[in-house]
Amino acid sequence: DAGVIQSPRHEVTEMGQEVTLRCKPISGHNSLFWYRQTMMRGLELLIYFNNNVPIDDSGMPEDRFSAKMPNASFSTLKIQPSEPRDSAVYFCASSFTVRGTHEQYFGPGTRLTVT
Amino acid sequence: DQQVKQNSPSLSVQEGRISILNCDYTNSMFDYFLWYKKYPAEGPTFLISISSIKDKNEDGRFTVFLNKSAKHLSLHIVPSQPGDSAVYFCALSPLGNEKLTFGTGTRLTIIP
Repeated sequence: DAGVIQSPRHEVTEMGQEVTLRCKPISGHNSLFWYRQTMMRGLELLIYFNNNVPIDDSGMPEDRFSAKMPNASFSTLKIQPSEPRDSAVYFCASSFTVRGTHEQYFGPGTRLTVT
Repeated sequence: DQQVKQNSPSLSVQEGRISILNCDYTNSMFDYFLWYKKYPAEGPTFLISISSIKDKNEDGRFTVFLNKSAKHLSLHIVPSQPGDSAVYFCALSPLGNEKLTFGTGTRLTIIP
């Protein structure tokens, strides 16, 4: 069984450039989450979708960040324009929402470096 | 304002002994509690969970304890094995909400 797939695994870009991170959730899962991990703030939720609809984007740091989920098997997180402080590891996770359980399954992450 | 704290950034335990990882929280609305393990360059891996209606859940070598009155969660690993060396995160979600709030993590090192 394939887990959550993220691409690219590593991204190095210059300040001001657009960055697009991609995620394929586990087949059959109906919720998708984008997280960011930094030394200063730890692992924080940016946005999550349920049945392809954004439910909570309160963690998105600013308007430079946007996320889409056009279908059940694909999501993107876009940063435009990127800044050095966006350097972090970005994780995508998915889950099958069943009453009373909240297990999320994480992808391997994308390490973003903005110079 | 950190709602979820793991006060020990690191812990070293001899192989075969018990590892105890702790997590404290402030918000009484948290209803479901999970532990994740993370190896370098990988995403967090779900380990074990417990709902607020229970005070203990066991899965093999892993047991999670919940003390709601003290707002305290712990993970016991016994016996500890070298492959358990990783960073462990507690993660909490409120009733009726899928959002997880993660702790800061504890790096566990098992000494052979």
